[in-house]
Amino acid sequence: KQEVTQIPAALSVPEGENLVLNCSFTDSAIYNLQWFRQDPGKGLTSLLLIQSSQREQTSGRLNASLDKSSGRSTLYIAASQPGDSATYLCAVRRVFYSGGGADGLTFGKGTHLIIQP
Amino acid sequence: ETGVTQSPTHLIKTRGQQVTLRCSSQSGHNTVSWYQQALGQGPQFIFQYYREEENGRGNFPPRFSGLQFPNYSSELNVNALELDDSALYLCASSLELTGGSEQYFGPGTRLTVT
Repeated sequence: KQEVTQIPAALSVPEGENLVLNCSFTDSAIYNLQWFRQDPGKGLTSLLLIQSSQREQTSGRLNASLDKSSGRSTLYIAASQPGDSATYLCAVRRVFYSGGGADGLTFGKGTHLIIQP
Repeated sequence: ETGVTQSPTHLIKTRGQQVTLRCSSQSGHNTVSWYQQALGQGPQFIFQYYREEENGRGNFPPRFSGLQFPNYSSELNVNALELDDSALYLCASSLELTGGSEQYFGPGTRLTVT
């Protein structure tokens, strides 16, 4: 059974700092990994999608890396801003099993991030 | 391009009742997935519909059922509601060609069971 762990569970840093959020997963047979942002009581906003054949993806101040063999991913946020305050969720999707069945995303519990002005 | 929408936004039901939640997929997407998110937890996969058929299911009992319509919108039905069903229900759509496509989530429906 796939398990996803995110460390730290919570993080509070001053504005302007660069920071790293960590995600680990137990089964390396994944199809892709996706990072999301969730504001309180809201839905999920997709930040970055990394296919299993890729090592990293970048979007603006965000950079996500993937090391499938070790079961790890990191989300790097450069020059953090108060608007980055949210919960960040990591999710993996398993390789499809034979017969064409599909599988959903397996999520971690998230990292609750607060950027102090 | 219209994103994923869900209705209603909030819902209060009594234990034992039945509820139907609705989702409209993002334009051009052919697959809908449903997730349950309890407070303080990550979302849990309920099931996925592709071309109007359920083609994947998480660890949820049969009282959780769904439909996908020809326009790729979807419904989640929950029978015999229990207190533990109180959660944020999220719908996600994607364009599944070879599988593993990026999923786009709606704003969710907050269900409270009393």
